[in-house]
Amino acid sequence: QKEVEQDPGPLSVPEGAIVSLNCTYSNSAFQYFMWYRQYSRKGPELLMYTYSSGNKEDGRFTAQVDKSSKYISLFIRDSQPSDSATYLCAMSGEYGNKLVFGAGTILRVKS
Amino acid sequence: DAEITQSPRHKITETGRQVTLACHQTWNHNNMFWYRQDLGHGLRLIHYSYGVQDTNKGEVSDGYSVSRSNTEDLPLTLESAASSQTSVYFCASQRGLNSPLHFGNGTRLTVT
Repeated sequence: QKEVEQDPGPLSVPEGAIVSLNCTYSNSAFQYFMWYRQYSRKGPELLMYTYSSGNKEDGRFTAQVDKSSKYISLFIRDSQPSDSATYLCAMSGEYGNKLVFGAGTILRVKS
Repeated sequence: DAEITQSPRHKITETGRQVTLACHQTWNHNNMFWYRQDLGHGLRLIHYSYGVQDTNKGEVSDGYSVSRSNTEDLPLTLESAASSQTSVYFCASQRGLNSPLHFGNGTRLTVT
């Protein structure tokens, strides 16, 4: 079993939809949780960064962490075609240095 | 603006050849990392460094080596390229512990 599980998709939604992306993990020592967005033929770029449990909002993006269930989510409101990309969850332990990545979910937003 | 650059962007090589992929960052970050990205596996850590003369093995380090002679560069060497090393390679840097990673745009390596 992988340490971090993420559905690869692809997930296809119409423009304006609310998107929910999720990851589950098995290591209870994870403390730092991140979402990276990766466009085709580009490197991943940091989208959201949270510590421990709770919610964090940034514009159309909301990250949620539920440590009791070992489950993290990224919500995208009013999705746009420019949101079409691969979304990678990542997490690390107390010292936050060596990240463990999910396999990534491909998102396609249709106009 | 500070950045992290990888070269070459694309490389085709033959089995058994030695290959070196370059990574250069102008963030002045101490921490640098090499990952490979393959379908179904996501990003897997190959090697990492916390500073000059420091190198450490990641989860998929067999067949790879790195050296850190200055803060800006962490070249990745494939000693004897194998077809299983066909992949996209990403370099990343990090300001310090608990900081996010900054990635380059990758090198697509094909071993024939």
